[in-house]
Amino acid sequence: GAGVSQTPSNKVTEKGKYVELRCDPISGHTALYWYRQSLGQGPEFLIYFQGTGAADDSGLPNDRFFAVRPEGSVSTLKIQRTERGDSAMYLCASSGRGDTQYFGPGTRLTVL
Amino acid sequence: KQEVTQIPAALSVPEGENLVLNCSFTDSAIYNLQWFRQDPGKGLTSLLLIQSSQREQTSGRLNASLDKSSGRSTLYIAASQPGDSATYLCAVPGYGGSQGNLIFGKGTKLSVKP
Repeated sequence: GAGVSQTPSNKVTEKGKYVELRCDPISGHTALYWYRQSLGQGPEFLIYFQGTGAADDSGLPNDRFFAVRPEGSVSTLKIQRTERGDSAMYLCASSGRGDTQYFGPGTRLTVL
Repeated sequence: KQEVTQIPAALSVPEGENLVLNCSFTDSAIYNLQWFRQDPGKGLTSLLLIQSSQREQTSGRLNASLDKSSGRSTLYIAASQPGDSATYLCAVPGYGGSQGNLIFGKGTKLSVKP
C-alpha cells in the first residue's frame, strides 16, 4: 500500500515568510510524528499526534512553530516568520498498532 | 535524559566484508530499539525493531542484537554490497514508552566499495 507522503519535497523561502509543510500518513495510522533533521545529525523530535490531538509538543523549538491534524489523518506543520536557522529536512512518520514508525521522504526547507 | 551514541561515525569497507555497527544508549529502561537506513537526501527506511524482551532480530543479511542491561545494540551486516551504502541510524523511545518520540543517534555512514 501507499507509504507516508510529504509535500512539497523542496521548499525555498525568504527570511520572515510563512510556510506550510504537509504530511499524509499511512491510511489507518492513528499516530503521527514530526521530526527535524540538520545535516550530519539524527532527526530531532518536534511533535506527536494521537488522532487529532497533540499528545506531546515538547519538541517544538518556539511559538513560531505550530502543527495541526484536524481530521486525524493529514497533518500540516506551520512555521511563521521563518529564520535561516529553520533550514533543515522536515520528516514526518506514522505508526499504527505496532511500534514501528514509518517515515516519509521529507521536505527540504531552505530559508534564504 | 536518554542519549544515543553511534560508533563509528563513518565506515568504509570492501564489498563482501561482514561488518558491525554499534549503538549505545544511556537509560536502559527502553521498550524497544529501532534501526533505520537513510540514503542521501531521503527519508528513513525502517530495517528492524527489537522489543525489550527480545535479544535479536533478523531480516535477510541483517541481524540486530539488543543488550538492555549494558545499554547496547549492534547491527550486523553480512556479505556487504555496494547497495548497502547509506547512513544507518538507531533510535529508542524518548520517555520509556512504546510510542511517542524517538531519540536518534547521529548515525554511521557506511560506504561499501566494489
